[in-house]
Amino acid sequence: DQQVKQNSPSLSVQEGRISILNCDYTNSMFDYFLWYKKYPAEGPTFLISISSIKDKNEDGRFTVFLNKSAKHLSLHIVPSQPGDSAVYFCAADDAGGTSYGKLTFGQGTILTVHP
Amino acid sequence: EAGVTQSPTHLIKTRGQQATLRCSPISGHTSVYWYQQALGLGLQFLLWYDEGEERNRGNFPPRFSGRQFPNYSSELNVNALELEDSALYLCASIPPPGPISNQPQHFGDGTRLSIL
Repeated sequence: DQQVKQNSPSLSVQEGRISILNCDYTNSMFDYFLWYKKYPAEGPTFLISISSIKDKNEDGRFTVFLNKSAKHLSLHIVPSQPGDSAVYFCAADDAGGTSYGKLTFGQGTILTVHP
Repeated sequence: EAGVTQSPTHLIKTRGQQATLRCSPISGHTSVYWYQQALGLGLQFLLWYDEGEERNRGNFPPRFSGRQFPNYSSELNVNALELEDSALYLCASIPPPGPISNQPQHFGDGTRLSIL
C-alpha cells in the first residue's frame, strides 16, 4: 500500500524554465509534507515543507502547493538551474496517528535541467 | 555545525552474518530515525528512537533492531543477513520536542551495506 506516490519517474527541463514536480497521497491523516533533494552518494537534503493548515509555502526559487481536497502537492522550481538536477522525494508525516514519528516517502522523481 | 554522521560509509558482509551501523545525530538533536533505501526503491522507515526508547517501528522483521545511547547516538543491528538486505541505510535526526513540532528530519549520507 503506497500511501505517497510520485507518478513521474523523471522530468527534463530547460535551464531558466519552471520545473513542476508532483506528489499524491492517500492517507487523509497526513498533516505535514516535505520535499527533499538527493544527489548520488549523499543523503537527502531538506528543501521545503508545508503544514496542512496552509496551501502554499515559498522559499526563494522553491514553492510548494498543497491541495488537501485532491490529496495532491507540488513543488515548483523557478527558474530551474543545472545544479537542481537530482532526485526529488516528497514525504509526509502524521502527528497523531499510527504513522507518528516516521516519514512516508514517495518513490522519487529524477529532475534533469539542461543548460 | 556538524551534520548527521554515519559510519562506516561502506560495509560488505556475507549471508548469515551480522552488521552494525552507527549514527551520530546533530548536536542537540534527541530523536534518531533509521531508513532503508533498496535499489530502485524509495526510503522505507525502519526505526525511531527518542530519549533512549524505541518509539515506532516500520514493517521489518525482528532481526532489524537498534538502540540509542545516553549521548543520543544510535546503532542499527541487522542479524542473519540476507541478500535482499543490500541497501543504503540512512539515519536522520530532529531536535526536541520531536515530530510533534513539525520539524524536518536531517539526514546523514548513509551506510552502503552489500551482502555477498
